[in-house]
Amino acid sequence: GDSVTQMEGPVTLSEEAFLTINCTYTATGYPSLFWYVQYPGEGLQLLLKATKADDKGSNKGFEATYRKETTSFHLEKGSVQVSDSAVYFCALSKGGGANSKLTFGKGITLSVRP
Amino acid sequence: DAGVIQSPRHEVTEMGQEVTLRCKPISGHDYLFWYRQTMMRGLELLIYFNNNVPIDDSGMPEDRFSAKMPNASFSTLKIQPSEPRDSAVYFCASSFIGTAGGYTFGSGTRLTVV
Repeated sequence: GDSVTQMEGPVTLSEEAFLTINCTYTATGYPSLFWYVQYPGEGLQLLLKATKADDKGSNKGFEATYRKETTSFHLEKGSVQVSDSAVYFCALSKGGGANSKLTFGKGITLSVRP
Repeated sequence: DAGVIQSPRHEVTEMGQEVTLRCKPISGHDYLFWYRQTMMRGLELLIYFNNNVPIDDSGMPEDRFSAKMPNASFSTLKIQPSEPRDSAVYFCASSFIGTAGGYTFGSGTRLTVV
């Protein structure tokens, strides 16, 4: 079945450091790919998405490129802030109809220190 | 738009008691999902509905769990009888077919069974 694999965490960085969080997927067909973020005590929020190969999703300084050849969707940010401390989830979806559900990775906790 | 509304935010109950969690999806969304989040197992999809009809309940852990969606604006997740291992954060999310997996999550219900 479909699956999403995220790098092991947690990750601790200093403010203004460069961030990369790895995500790879296994799926048949052409899934859409997502990054969700969960701040402490809150629900998940959609951070960015890409719906086809070579698409780049971006939001709030975060970017991720849909790489079909490597089945990857790594999340990057050039300069992290303390406010980016949260749990980050990579996910995939096959789209509408009976395949509408999201498959999530296990999530990774990011802590950014001042 | 008030987003996806869940109630209660916190629930503490004794083992053996019935627990009912409630969710109001975003108006116009035709998919509703119930997830459970624990440290050990991460995010687990319990069940999801399309146009108020249950589509996939294979994630419901056992017969003690049941979910209903009597109309487009309301869903419940019931646990009876509750057990300590049911302690978790339960999230409701809704989406529209056109968003290709871009869910909106509620803030969750933190359930503690003692």
